[in-house]
Amino acid sequence: EPEVTQTPSHQVTQMGQEVILRCVPISNHLYFYWYRQILGQKVEFLVSFYNNEISEKSEIFDDQFSVERPDGSNFTLKIRSTKLEDSAMYFCASSDGLAGVETQYFGPGTRLLVL
Amino acid sequence: AQSVSQHNHHVILSEAASLELGCNYSYGGTVNLFWYVQYPGQHLQLLLKYFSGDPLVKGIKGFEAEFIKSKFSFNLRKPSVQWSDTAEYFCAVIMNRDDKIIFGKGTRLHILP
Repeated sequence: EPEVTQTPSHQVTQMGQEVILRCVPISNHLYFYWYRQILGQKVEFLVSFYNNEISEKSEIFDDQFSVERPDGSNFTLKIRSTKLEDSAMYFCASSDGLAGVETQYFGPGTRLLVL
Repeated sequence: AQSVSQHNHHVILSEAASLELGCNYSYGGTVNLFWYVQYPGQHLQLLLKYFSGDPLVKGIKGFEAEFIKSKFSFNLRKPSVQWSDTAEYFCAVIMNRDDKIIFGKGTRLHILP
């Protein structure tokens, strides 16, 4: 069964450094998402992406964040200058239709620790 | 504000016990409802979903959930749990065919063998 994959599984970085989290969505999917889960808190929506542009973003997704689909398979989340509070598990998801119609499939997550 | 509430943060049961995990949401319009499960060390997996039709939905691994519109609830049930059901369970809602999922805080279920 096709799966969403994410790399790396864990990343440790210094505050102020840039990080890029990578995701390979399911191959025929067109809609891509990033969510995050701070330890002990709920999973929160960050951004959705369709047709090479952001379709929706949350308040969390400020100017430090960006997303990109650099080629036909990868979907990346970049945090330009990490802060301590960016430490979280970041989940990528993809679907082959709008979230209100089709199921989103989640990747295993990248655990980011900012020191 | 739109939100999803899961009443139990931790639940401990013995094998063969019956399970019901509560979930309520705050939104008066059209909703799509989901339960996701996250087994230890694994990613979020869809257990079941409700988009329309029969409000009693059956999912994988013997789970089911009932959408009660008047109570804004979508509780998850399983008549007889197994040790392998130990996991964290997330209720999630899409409101008004929006593009994003709103998750509850999760319920950590621990089954004693």
